[in-house]
Amino acid sequence: QVQLVESGGGVVQPGASLRLACAASGFSISNYEIHWVRQAPGKGLEWVSLSWYDGSAEYYADSVKGRFSISRDNGKNTMYLQMNSLRAEDTALYYCAREVGDDSRGFYYEHFDHWGQGTPVTVSS
Amino acid sequence: SSELTQGPAVSVALGQTVTITCQGNSLRNYYPSWYRQRPGQAPILVFSGKDNRPSEIPDRLSGSRSGNTASLTITGAQAEDEAVYYCASRDDSGSRLFGGGTELTVL
Repeated sequence: QVQLVESGGGVVQPGASLRLACAASGFSISNYEIHWVRQAPGKGLEWVSLSWYDGSAEYYADSVKGRFSISRDNGKNTMYLQMNSLRAEDTALYYCAREVGDDSRGFYYEHFDHWGQGTPVTVSS
Repeated sequence: SSELTQGPAVSVALGQTVTITCQGNSLRNYYPSWYRQRPGQAPILVFSGKDNRPSEIPDRLSGSRSGNTASLTITGAQAEDEAVYYCASRDDSGSRLFGGGTELTVL
């Protein structure tokens, strides 16, 4: 079955770096757009980043642009999120999610059909 | 920049009907998706597009869109519907957006 498992979270000081991983199973990430979404403690969901299925395009939320970088290793079926210059406001549970789209009925829609359980990141001095 | 706006909280009596709304300019061009998140759990999809509902989601949940407003309606709310509901869509830049979430309480 489809599964996404995040890892790499931890406690770091401001200005430090972390690399999160999202290991996929039950499907090939080379056929899907994979996103990172985060949730600060007690807060709502915040979209962070997207990598197109073929890796040809990346998108970032303004809050992380220039500091975070998304990448994929199709051979390992794993997505990554490199996070540099971390700030206290980056403290959150980081989820990866698979997105699927459908245009078979004359209109297009998309959604996140599978989510991981998240990996926690705490940025604190 | 684009954003999606949801009311922070809504309550409904057991068995009654409740509608959760989501407003944003991106909804004029893109269908939203809706997610339910219970405490300590990852979000799950409950509705997307015009009429797409995962098989495990009861048909008392339905969605609609008109202009810049999308709605998720729960007809005959049950205790297990109590959760935070988020809307999401893409915007014209290719990024994705989430609403701030609406906490549903079933009385």
